[in-house]
Amino acid sequence: DAGVIQSPRHEVTEMGQEVTLRCKPISGHNSLFWYRQTMMRGLELLIYFNNNVPIDDSGMPEDRFSAKMPNASFSTLKIQPSEPRDSAVYFCASNGYSSYNEQFFGPGTRLTVL
Amino acid sequence: GQQLNQSPQSMFIQEGEDVSMNCTSSSIFNTWLWYKQDPGEGPVLLIALYKAGELTSNGRLTAQFGITRKDSFLNISASIPSDVGIYFCAGSNDYKLSFGAGTTVTVRA
Repeated sequence: DAGVIQSPRHEVTEMGQEVTLRCKPISGHNSLFWYRQTMMRGLELLIYFNNNVPIDDSGMPEDRFSAKMPNASFSTLKIQPSEPRDSAVYFCASNGYSSYNEQFFGPGTRLTVL
Repeated sequence: GQQLNQSPQSMFIQEGEDVSMNCTSSSIFNTWLWYKQDPGEGPVLLIALYKAGELTSNGRLTAQFGITRKDSFLNISASIPSDVGIYFCAGSNDYKLSFGAGTTVTVRA
């Protein structure tokens, strides 16, 4: 079975540019999560979708960050404009009805903003 | 989210050793999860625990859900080189996972 798929795996961009990260959850999973991981703050939940609807976006740092889930098999996290402090590894995770609280993570996108 | 205290922060293992790490919380959780993260990869779920007192094994890994529901431990028996990585505990009562800071396991030179 395919796991969570994320693209790109690495992104290097300059300050002020728009960045779009992509995620395909595990087929059949109805919940999707975006996380950010840094050395200083560890893993932080940014936003949670259930059945394609954003339920909790309290972790989104500021208006520069936005996330969408147009259908059950695709989600994007966009940063516009990007800043050097956004440099981190961004993970997408998914969860299904039958897997209780178990979240399955993708390989992550390492973002570097110069 | 809620703060989990995970210890030790790091440890060195020698092949064949048993290792142990634990997580404690000031709050009660309904679920405890243990993940392993290799460099450049996402966390991989190792074990999920759903009942207080539950002891669950996955190969050489054994984890327990503490009776008070405020702690959990993970044991690795007969460690092998590929056990190196960062191990995270996570507690949950709903969709939110509260993560520990991680235990970094390194092979002793």
